Amino acid sequence: DTGVSQDPRHKITKRGQNVTFRCDPISEHNRLYWYRQTLGQGPEFLTYFQNEAQLEKSRLLSDRFSAERPKGSFSTLEIQRTEQGDSAMYLCASTPGLADNEQFFGPGTRLTVL
Amino acid sequence: RKEVEQDPGPFNVPEGATVAFNCTYSNSASQSFFWYRQDCRKEPKLLMSVYSSGNEDGRFTAQLNRASQYISLLIRDSKLSDSATYLCVVNISPNTGFQKLVFGTGTRLLVSP
Repeated sequence: DTGVSQDPRHKITKRGQNVTFRCDPISEHNRLYWYRQTLGQGPEFLTYFQNEAQLEKSRLLSDRFSAERPKGSFSTLEIQRTEQGDSAMYLCASTPGLADNEQFFGPGTRLTVL
Repeated sequence: RKEVEQDPGPFNVPEGATVAFNCTYSNSASQSFFWYRQDCRKEPKLLMSVYSSGNEDGRFTAQLNRASQYISLLIRDSKLSDSATYLCVVNISPNTGFQKLVFGTGTRLLVSP
């Protein structure tokens, strides 16, 4: 499968724990996005990478959230000291360099914070 | 006011019906427009881009009215497989290469036999 992959698909954690999610974009795509989606809502933009550079961050991304893309390939999203409000689906998407190309989404990581 | 507003539905229609979804957006500087489709518990997938001149892809027709900041999607001859949530999406980034997509809440469509 040459699509966007995400790991894990599901994560259940207790409040206060740290979690890390991984996204592997389509191999030739240099642009990578993270989104958060809660029930009944559309995805909300969190952050954007062009190659290894993090160029945009949403105000939704509090200090407890950090994202990296160290070699311009896979990306990780870490949430520290999780809160119940962090429970959501975390989606990753990638796209090649042109502005209005389709964003290809991964299957998401569903986080439940107890 | 939300940046992208859609009627959440659900729209319940019989097979073969024509159904239309509307969407309004608040940022007049929005650059580009899309409809994405999301099946239950799946990721969103691009259905079609939306152009000022209107565009059609088989049974699907999308229209954009920049003056009214209004986007529409028309589905003709509905199929059971069209049942999904349709997300109205607006790119508000002025920068080439970076898409800052703002998604509506989605409109849920249920097509019944």
